[in-house]
Amino acid sequence: NAGVTQTPKFRILKIGQSMTLQCAQDMNHNYMYWYRQDPGMGLKLIYYSVGAGITDKGEVPNGYNVSRSTTEDFPLRLELAAPSQTSVYFCASSYGPSGTFYEQYFGPGTRLTVT
Amino acid sequence: RKEVEQDPGPFNVPEGATVAFNCTYSNSASQSFFWYRQDCRKEPKLLMSVYSSGNEDGRFTAQLNRASQYISLLIRDSKLSDSATYLCVADNQAGTALIFGKGTTLSVSS
Repeated sequence: NAGVTQTPKFRILKIGQSMTLQCAQDMNHNYMYWYRQDPGMGLKLIYYSVGAGITDKGEVPNGYNVSRSTTEDFPLRLELAAPSQTSVYFCASSYGPSGTFYEQYFGPGTRLTVT
Repeated sequence: RKEVEQDPGPFNVPEGATVAFNCTYSNSASQSFFWYRQDCRKEPKLLMSVYSSGNEDGRFTAQLNRASQYISLLIRDSKLSDSATYLCVADNQAGTALIFGKGTTLSVSS
């Protein structure tokens, strides 16, 4: 199994540009998550999904959108990129919900710089 | 009050030392607790879950005190390879997401 994969690994965007961060998992996990991690800070949840067709906002959803058309894929869309969105973005997945001790598996991250 | 709070460190210890990390969480309804490890510029990986009865995995021991809303991680006989950032994690009230602390940095030197 490849686990959780993310593309691209690195990206530089200009202010106002848009892009989609790709995330895929091959573990047949129902739950998927997008986090951002700023330097010296903890991970902040952007959006999560409990299954295909179902998504919900996390702690910091503004400026982002998601979709979940399949179990495997959970892309994150950035519209009108701003310097405040410069961060490392991690995608994660788990078999079950967070409140029941299911481990979250993380992808390698996408390092995004907005200038 | 921050939801999951940790001493950021850094903790600088020699090989063979015992080191303890502490963490507090604000949501008394949290049910699941974890320690994740994150190496520099890498993704977080699960180190161990933290159960009410406490649990041990080799040189690592995790404890949970629900009354004080306090989680700890003890590392015995530290190795150079233990150098990393350790993230304290608790689930949110709805059990739908994990709340991560900012992490405690450990540096083990020879």
